[in-house]
Amino acid sequence: SQKIEQNSEALNIQEGKTATLTCNYTNYSPAYLQWYRQDPGRGPVFLLLIRENEKEKRKERLKVTFDTTLKQSLFHITASQPADSATYLCALATNAGNMLTFGGGTRLMVKP
Amino acid sequence: GAGVSQSPSNKVTEKGKDVELRCDPISGHTALYWYRQSLGQGLEFLIYFQGNSAPDKSGLPSDRFSAERTGGSVSTLTIQRTQQEDSAVYLCASSLDRAGNGYTFGSGTRLTVV
Repeated sequence: SQKIEQNSEALNIQEGKTATLTCNYTNYSPAYLQWYRQDPGRGPVFLLLIRENEKEKRKERLKVTFDTTLKQSLFHITASQPADSATYLCALATNAGNMLTFGGGTRLMVKP
Repeated sequence: GAGVSQSPSNKVTEKGKDVELRCDPISGHTALYWYRQSLGQGLEFLIYFQGNSAPDKSGLPSDRFSAERTGGSVSTLTIQRTQQEDSAVYLCASSLDRAGNGYTFGSGTRLTVV
């Protein structure tokens, strides 16, 4: 069956370090993968999109990698700040349309 | 508008009653999606509208759920004969087109069925 797996345990890191979050998928052939940030009581906010033919995408302190052989995406936040604390969701879409399927999210806690 | 607007933000209803949830997408966004999120869970796809095409209803959990989108803009999600397991946050999102643009989500409607 199709699965999108993100670590359900919270990731705790120290301010200034690089946070790395993982998204693994099975039985998908995604056309693109997206990462979102969700704060409590709010809807997810779009961060980055990476297409199947791209290996890496950067935006300010954020970096996403996409390995279609490993069926994995890594999401990095460099020089992390307490304000980066949130739940981060990955989502996939196939060529069949652009409806996204979301992973369960990983909560990131950045401690000062 | 500047963002996706959902109303009401909170709704408490008695089991067996019908509820209507409203979504106002970003002007010009042709695609509109409904998801729901139960406490501590990921987002569950419900229904997707794209332009004038027939909606993708494949995520609706039962025939008590329905949605419409009038004039390619505002959408209403209706849940008939609500059950306690319908309690969740219902999120609406819109996006520009099918080209893989990011979604803009509203803040959701928290539905509690008592």
